[in-house]
Amino acid sequence: DSGVTQTPKHLITATGQRVTLRCSPRSGDLSVYWYQQSLDQGLQFLIQYYNGEERAKGNILERFSAQQFPDLHSELNLSSLELGDSALYFCASSVGGSRSSYNEQFFGPGTRLTVL
Amino acid sequence: GDSVTQMEGPVTLSEEAFLTINCTYTATGYPSLFWYVQYPGEGLQLLLKATKADDKGSNKGFEATYRKETTSFHLEKGSVQVSDSAVYFCALSTGTSYDKVIFGPGTSLSVIP
Repeated sequence: DSGVTQTPKHLITATGQRVTLRCSPRSGDLSVYWYQQSLDQGLQFLIQYYNGEERAKGNILERFSAQQFPDLHSELNLSSLELGDSALYFCASSVGGSRSSYNEQFFGPGTRLTVL
Repeated sequence: GDSVTQMEGPVTLSEEAFLTINCTYTATGYPSLFWYVQYPGEGLQLLLKATKADDKGSNKGFEATYRKETTSFHLEKGSVQVSDSAVYFCALSTGTSYDKVIFGPGTSLSVIP
C-alpha cells in the first residue's frame, strides 16, 4: 500500500459526459501528479500540482482540468468525454518542491474509466 | 524531445532464468534514470534509480547501470521468480523539470514455474 488513495476504482460513463476523479496523497506529501495509461499511448504525464499551485503540465487535453485543494487532495475533471478517453488514470504523490533533485513518486491504485 | 525506448514485450521466462530488459533514452542534459514495476491490478512502484553516469541502481535482486556513452539503462536479474511477473517501465527525469517523469512503453514479463 503506497498510502495514495484514489476514488472511484471504476467508472463507466457515456460519451459527452463529465466525470471527476479524486486523489488523496500520502500524509505529508505536497505534490500530486496525474497520469493516463492506455494501451495505445502508454503512460502519459498529464499535470502536476504542488501545494495548491500548478507546477508542470504534460499532454493534458483542454477538456481535462485539475486542481489541488487546501487539504492537498486533488481532483481531475474530464469533460465532453470521448471513447478514446477510456484508460487507467493514476495519481501519484511526492514530497515535492525541489527543482534540483528527484522526489520519489508514490502511485495510487488507479481509476479505470470506461467511456461507452 | 526527451524520450525512453525499451524492448517490446511480452517476455516469457522460466523460473530461475536470467532477465535482461533493454532501455535506451534520449535527453538533453543529464537525466536521472529509473525502473518502475507495476504488478497486476496495482499502481507503479519505484524499483531502482541512478542519478549519474556509471551509477548502479539495485533492489530485490534487480540491477541497472547508467551508461552515458550508450545512453542505456538495461535492467537485469540473475534468477527470476514467478513473483517477478509484472510490467516494467524505464523512465527518466531531466534537469528541465525534475518532478516530471517520462516513461517508456513498458515491458510485460511473465515467469512460468
